[in-house]
Amino acid sequence: DTEVTQTPKHLVMGMTNKKSLKCEQHMGHRAMYWYKQKAKKPPELMFVYSYEKLSINESVPSRFSPECPNSSLLNLHLHALQPEDSALYLCASSLTGGVYEQYFGPGTRLTVT
Amino acid sequence: AQSVTQLGSHVSVSEGALVLLRCNYSSSVPPYLFWYVQYPNQGLQLLLKYTTGATLVKGINGFEAEFKKSETSFHLTKPSAHMSDAAEYFCAVSPLSGGYQKVTFGTGTKLQVIP
Repeated sequence: DTEVTQTPKHLVMGMTNKKSLKCEQHMGHRAMYWYKQKAKKPPELMFVYSYEKLSINESVPSRFSPECPNSSLLNLHLHALQPEDSALYLCASSLTGGVYEQYFGPGTRLTVT
Repeated sequence: AQSVTQLGSHVSVSEGALVLLRCNYSSSVPPYLFWYVQYPNQGLQLLLKYTTGATLVKGINGFEAEFKKSETSFHLTKPSAHMSDAAEYFCAVSPLSGGYQKVTFGTGTKLQVIP
């Protein structure tokens, strides 16, 4: 199984809502990543978890809150977002301890109204 | 610090023609280089990667890339374009840090294949 799954596929939320994005992989990968991708732009790294510990936070606003409950699951909790946060949110995972490629999920298309 | 420059945000080729997508990198440490492809409304898929060893790297779907240290380049090629190759292509560079990868992506090249 070389698949990273993400739910939901699409999400529309108001600026006062609280919602969560979910990412799951069963490849035994111990590094997991959240990226934000705006239209016609490359993915921008937001967070990296390594062995379920937050290793990188790329100065992401606190309205984005990541969580890694176990080695297979990665969540991104959203609260009080702004319209400019509308984007494709990609999750990825990779093996650790060497140079391994990242496997990407299909993404969640988020629209903030 | 590391960075990637992709020359040409849009490239158009005729079906059956050579595909050449350009990528130049800068890195303060030996780089690990990747090419990813993204189809509309999908995530990224790895085409190929260079870590060490042979400088000519073969990937999926008939793509290959050559690492040229003297030119700091990692251009992607395919001898004969197919309609299904139309997509966005990202070159990426990554050092290895603490067991995970902090990947820096180029700005992307949109490949159009003309029938």
